[in-house]
Amino acid sequence: SQELEQSPQSLIVQEGKNLTINCTSSKTLYGLYWYKQKYGEGLIFLMMLQKGGEEKSHEKITAKLDEKKQQSSLHITASQPSHAGIYLCGADRGGSQGNLIFGKGTKLSVKP
Amino acid sequence: SQTIHQWPATLVQPVGSPLSLECTVEGTSNPNLYWYRQAAGRGLQLLFYSVGIGQISSEVPQNLSASRPQDRQFILSSKKLLLSDSGFYLCAWSADGTYEKLFFGSGTQLSVL
Repeated sequence: SQELEQSPQSLIVQEGKNLTINCTSSKTLYGLYWYKQKYGEGLIFLMMLQKGGEEKSHEKITAKLDEKKQQSSLHITASQPSHAGIYLCGADRGGSQGNLIFGKGTKLSVKP
Repeated sequence: SQTIHQWPATLVQPVGSPLSLECTVEGTSNPNLYWYRQAAGRGLQLLFYSVGIGQISSEVPQNLSASRPQDRQFILSSKKLLLSDSGFYLCAWSADGTYEKLFFGSGTQLSVL
């Protein structure tokens, strides 16, 4: 079965620093989603990537999907305390719509 | 605009007691509805999904069940809770179609004691 591995599991950065979170799949990704979860709250959709080599940006967050479509990275530039939370990558398993599997998440803390 | 409501936000229940979590969606018709569970130290796991009224698909065997009595209402239930049922439960919806992103509710933190 397909699995998603996220790294690192947790990350503490100083405000203003850049950071990268990785998501690696055991199988080719046909839809890779990035969500952000604030502690104890629901998930907020960030971005979706489908094509190999695709890159999307929203404010200071950039997500990329590699050419082989088995790895995605989420990069935050000049981190702020508002970026703190848990970042999850999800992948479409195919078949049932919205049948996503998720990585275990990366907990990001930003020190002011 | 579409909104999703999930309640209660937190719940503490004794082992063996019943469970009912409710989720409703507003502002859309015929959504696909999902129940996910996030257990400590584990990723999000899909429990149930529904593509229409009365249509429920179960992803994992367990003592939980789901029902969709109305188009925009999704209910997660259990007759007798187990300790292992503790976790953070998230309801989500998506529009009908492929590669439609999920919109999540705010979640229910369930503690079974």
